[in-house]
Parts: sequence; structure tokens; C-alpha cells
Amino acid sequence: EPEVTQTPSHQVTQMGQEVILRCVPISNHLYFYWYRQILGQKVEFLVSFYNNEISEKSEIFDDQFSVERPDGSNFTLKIRSTKLEDSAMYFCASGQIYGYTFGSGTRLTVV
Amino acid sequence: DQQVKQNSPSLSVQEGRISILNCDYTNSMFDYFLWYKKYPAEGPTFLISISSIKDKNEDGRFTVFLNKSAKHLSLHIVPSQPGDSAVYFCSFTQGGSEKLVFGKGMKLTVNP
Repeated sequence: EPEVTQTPSHQVTQMGQEVILRCVPISNHLYFYWYRQILGQKVEFLVSFYNNEISEKSEIFDDQFSVERPDGSNFTLKIRSTKLEDSAMYFCASGQIYGYTFGSGTRLTVV
Repeated sequence: DQQVKQNSPSLSVQEGRISILNCDYTNSMFDYFLWYKKYPAEGPTFLISISSIKDKNEDGRFTVFLNKSAKHLSLHIVPSQPGDSAVYFCSFTQGGSEKLVFGKGMKLTVNP
């Protein structure tokens, strides 16, 4: 069964550093998403991406965040200057709203 | 964000019995409803969904019920199996949006 692949599985970074989280969506999917889950809290929508541009974003997705599809297979989330409160599981997903496929997540720890 | 509530954090049932997971929502604009399950160290996995024009949808052992007037969604698993032990999330979306709104999740434990 096709999978969404995320790397790395765990990233530790110093506060103020930039991080890039990587995702390889399912190859024939056209919609891509990032969600995050802070420990003990709900899974929260960050951004959706379609046709090489952001189609929707949440209030969490401020100027510190950006997404990119640098080539035909990868989909990245960049956090420019990480804060302690950015520590969370970050999930990439692809597909359409009627049941899209999530990756296993990247655990980001900001110290 | 209190749009979605899964009021019970956990449920424990015996193998073979029915598991009933409940979810309440406040946003009357939601028009598509989904259940995801999540195992540790994995991402959420889509399970079953229902649109607002229906009140029931079945897929094998899983049935989702929607009560729009009560703004209540439930998932029935019967018979429950130990492999169903996971965290279950209800989620919602509304027309024109690609965003899913998730509940906080309920941990289901199915005992052999």
C-alpha cells in the first residue's frame, strides 16, 4: 500500500535555529498537508498545498513557517527560527479531504 | 478550540464485544465527518467517513452514526478485536475547506 514518508523521525534543534522537515507524499496525489500535535493536545491543521501554492493555512502558520515542493517528489516544511513551543509531532499528509493518508510524523524537540 | 469534544479519554472493552466511541461538535457548518485511528509512533490512519446527508455508514466491522440535530457522531466497532486497540480521533470539515478539525482522541483498549 502506498505510503507517505517523513524524515527525519526525530529532530532536536536549538531554539532560534532553522529546521526543515521533509515528506515524500504518495506519487499520484495532488493535495499535500502539514499538521502538528503538541504533546497531550489535539492534532492541528497547519497548511494545505495544491498546484504549487498554499491553498489554505491556519493562524498557527505564521511568517516563521513556509512550505515548498522543491521537486516532483518532496514536500517540505521549514520553520525559520524555532521556539520552544514549536516542539511537537509534525505530520505530513497527502490525498483529498475524504480520507487522506498521513505519514508517521517527525518529532521535533526544540531545546 | 472547543468545536469538537471527545469527552471520554479512554475505553476498555472485551474482545468480541461492541466498542462505542462518541464525539460531539458545535459547528453546524461541518458537513463531512471522519474517524481516524492512530497507533503509537505512527500517523493517523483513515478509518471511515460519513457526509451530512446520511445518518449511517458501514464498512465491515465499523459503523459510523451521525445525529445532526444533536451534533453527535459515533463509531461502533463490532466485534472488537485486540488489534483495534489504538487512539481514535473524530474529525470534521466543512464545504470548500481542506482543513480537518480533530477531536482530542480516545484511547481504546480491547482486552483478549
